[in-house]
Amino acid sequence: GAVVSQHPSWVICKSGTSVKIECRSLDFQATTMFWYRQFPKQSLMLMATSNEGSKATYEQGVEKDKFLINHASLTLSTLTVTSAHPEDSSFYICSASFYAARTDTQYFGPGTRLTVL
Amino acid sequence: AQTVTQSQPEMSVQEAETVTLSCTYDTSESNYYLFWYKQPPSRQMILVIRQEAYKQQNATENRFSVNFQKAAKSFSLKISDSQLGDTAMYFCAFTFPGGGADGLTFGKGTHLIIQP
Repeated sequence: GAVVSQHPSWVICKSGTSVKIECRSLDFQATTMFWYRQFPKQSLMLMATSNEGSKATYEQGVEKDKFLINHASLTLSTLTVTSAHPEDSSFYICSASFYAARTDTQYFGPGTRLTVL
Repeated sequence: AQTVTQSQPEMSVQEAETVTLSCTYDTSESNYYLFWYKQPPSRQMILVIRQEAYKQQNATENRFSVNFQKAAKSFSLKISDSQLGDTAMYFCAFTFPGGGADGLTFGKGTHLIIQP
């Protein structure tokens, strides 16, 4: 149980275009979803936290107008990288948790590799 | 803000040996959760073990166990009878108990290599 999927797994786009990444909890209702960013050979950095039906909370230094997060339902969150530039190239990972579990455990998606040319 | 420190960038051991990965953290809170996550080459994050700070008993999961020293703010992971499939990046992580509403703070990771 507690499976999280991400789509696409790999995307290449041109500079200036926008890219949407989907994160889905497949077998549970995710109270909260998180988006992390991981540069090569580095750790995961939390970008934002989102709860279903409310605005996302962004970490300091993360541009909310550039990284648009929508958590429209208890099973789906999307991250849209707007006007992408080469420096946005990275590995984006989502995770989800559910309050009812009372374990504060996050379940991670497989990640999306974004390359901006 | 809380911080998590992993002082071993890379470790290498022979298959079947026991290995211990170190993690220290800093927080002024008394209640929190600690985790070890494994990230193999596929880059899928896999939960290895979880510890609640208010529990004195060290968590164990099969070959994986932790040594949780709350006063020293230390949370090491011991892997017994290491296997080739244990080769991966291991991240120590911290969060506050908020019903899963708080993000994780990760250490920089330790690259563990199990040699045949």
